[in-house]
Formats: sequence, structure tokens, C-alpha cells
Amino acid sequence: GAVVSQHPSRVICKSGTSVKIECRSLDFQATTMFWYRQFPKKSLMLMATSNEGSKATYEQGVEKDKFLINHASLTLSTLTVTSAHPEDSSFYICSARDLLGADEQFFGPGTRLTVL
Amino acid sequence: DAKTTQPTSMDCAEGRAANLPCNHSTISGNEYVYWYRQIHSQGPQYIIHGLKNNETNEMASLIITEDRKSSTLILPHATLRDTAVYYCIVRVAMTGANNLFFGTGTRLTVIP
Repeated sequence: GAVVSQHPSRVICKSGTSVKIECRSLDFQATTMFWYRQFPKKSLMLMATSNEGSKATYEQGVEKDKFLINHASLTLSTLTVTSAHPEDSSFYICSARDLLGADEQFFGPGTRLTVL
Repeated sequence: DAKTTQPTSMDCAEGRAANLPCNHSTISGNEYVYWYRQIHSQGPQYIIHGLKNNETNEMASLIITEDRKSSTLILPHATLRDTAVYYCIVRVAMTGANNLFFGTGTRLTVIP
């Protein structure tokens, strides 16, 4: 149990386009999902906290208009990178907290975004 | 703010025990010690956590000192698939907030 999936696993896009990344909790409900970004050889940095049915909470320095987060159901959150630029190239990872279980976070496999 | 200190990297021979240390001298009484690992180009994987007692599961053992200022993660028989970055995190559980802050971790390389 406690599986989190992400789609796509890898995406390459042109500068200026928008990219949507999906995060799904497959076998549990998650009121809260988290989005992280990881640059090469660096640690994970929390970008935002996504609560089902409400606006996301962004960490300092993360542009909410650039990284649009939608958490429309208890099993799905999406991150849209708008007008992507090469500096947005990174590894994006989501995690989900089990609504009914212990206070644990389960991580997705990550999405590697490359902006040309 | 770094609440844990870990060595940057370690090597371990395949089949031997890997002992990964972590210092958390400012840990509070209600903070747990969590360990995650991240294999290259994958999401983090939960390993184990504990409050003050030593813990063991199918993946690893966690030894916490009596004063709780440090701990050691033990992989009893390391395999090549255990090569990863290991993160030691202290956090208060059941707060509803995200308090999983990843430091730089220890890059463990298991050598054949």
C-alpha cells in the first residue's frame, strides 16, 4: 500500500511552454500533498503544500503564478510550470500524506523536466 | 536551519554492515528521528523512525543514544542496491504540517 505515482516521469519541452505534472495517491486518500524540487546533486527543497479543496501554500521564493498547483480531489494534485525556462529544468517530486494513517509522507518517483 | 549533521559520504563493502551516523544535539523531547533514502533519480523512500528506543524493521536498525543527541542507521548486510543518499531528519510527528526538511544527507556507496 501507500503508493504515489507521478506522470510523466520525464518531459522535455521548449522554452515558453507550460508543463503539467500529475501526482496521484493510488491506494489511499491524501488531504495534503507536497511538491518538492531537486537540482542536480542538491537536496530536496519544498516548494508548496497542497490541500484538497483549498489554495496551495507556497514556500518563500516560490512564485505561485509560475508554479500553479491544483488539488481537486483526495487522490490527485497537479503542478503546472507555466512559461517554462531552462532554469526551471529540475527533478520535481511530490509526496502525499495518508488521511487516515499515521503522519507519514509517501513520495512519488519524481518527474524530470528539461526545458530547452 | 540544519538540525542534523551527517557525513557527506561513506563507502561500504558489499555484504558488510553499513553504519550511518547522525548528530542531532538540539533535538527536542517530542521530536522523532526519521531516516529516508534516495536512490539516484528516484523519490525518497522511508526507512525507519524512532523516538528513544532502538528500532528494527526489515530494512534496517536504528540505534538512538540515551541522551538522544545522536543516532546510527544500520544496514546489516549492504547490497549494491543500497547505494543511495541517506537522509536523517528530526521532526515532530502528527502536527499536520510538513516538517520534513531534507539536509544534504550521506551518500553511501556500496562497493562490490
